[in-house]
Amino acid sequence: QSALTQPASVSGSPGQSITISCTGTSSDVGGYNYVSWYQQHPGKAPKLMIYDVSNRPSGVSNRFSGSKSGNTASLTISGLQAEDEADYYCSSYTSSSTFVVFGGGTKLTVL
Amino acid sequence: QVQLQESGPGLVKPSGTLSLTCAVSGGSISSSNWWSWVRQPPGKGLEWIGEIYHSGSTNYNPSLKSRVTISVDKSKNQFSLKLSSVTAADTAVYYCARTRADYVWGSYRPGAFDIWGQGTMVTVSS
Repeated sequence: QSALTQPASVSGSPGQSITISCTGTSSDVGGYNYVSWYQQHPGKAPKLMIYDVSNRPSGVSNRFSGSKSGNTASLTISGLQAEDEADYYCSSYTSSSTFVVFGGGTKLTVL
Repeated sequence: QVQLQESGPGLVKPSGTLSLTCAVSGGSISSSNWWSWVRQPPGKGLEWIGEIYHSGSTNYNPSLKSRVTISVDKSKNQFSLKLSSVTAADTAVYYCARTRADYVWGSYRPGAFDIWGQGTMVTVSS
């Protein structure tokens, strides 16, 4: 069981917007701004999409945005494209002994 | 730009030791970043194993701490992972990654994993 909770799957049609949630506790997501999001296509390494809750690395489309409210972080993808179909993982620093925790991952299907 | 490349045996016997190396190119391992290992069992999610700073300081996932050793070789610009007493549950793709570092009141906090290696599959089987 992962420390951060994500929905197993989400889906959307091209052009639509979707949001993936990542729920933790006050020891991780809610207590610090170290939430990051990763996109992983089958057979590939994860790719950083969002860091420190809402920052985009250079080269990442502005269709990807991140936010946080309380103990829940969110990744929003607007203008959904076929190439966005992938698994998405959230991660956070935690003040517990675990130090770094991941969510269980969310499979995004573009219909 | 910085690139990471994992290497090591793809097959390890049960009760043996898994050993992997991550070569850092395009930048120095002695930068202000930390360097992590992350694994992913087939069909499952990501698990952080641990990390190292070029000084040799380490942080480990408590669930693996008794079996994990991460070391750094600055002369070769690489860092390594050793996982002992492996079982089939340790079968996974192993990734090395660069960790963004933040310091708050002098206390280190790991940020995002901004650069990843391509990953290497390690199977534990006799």
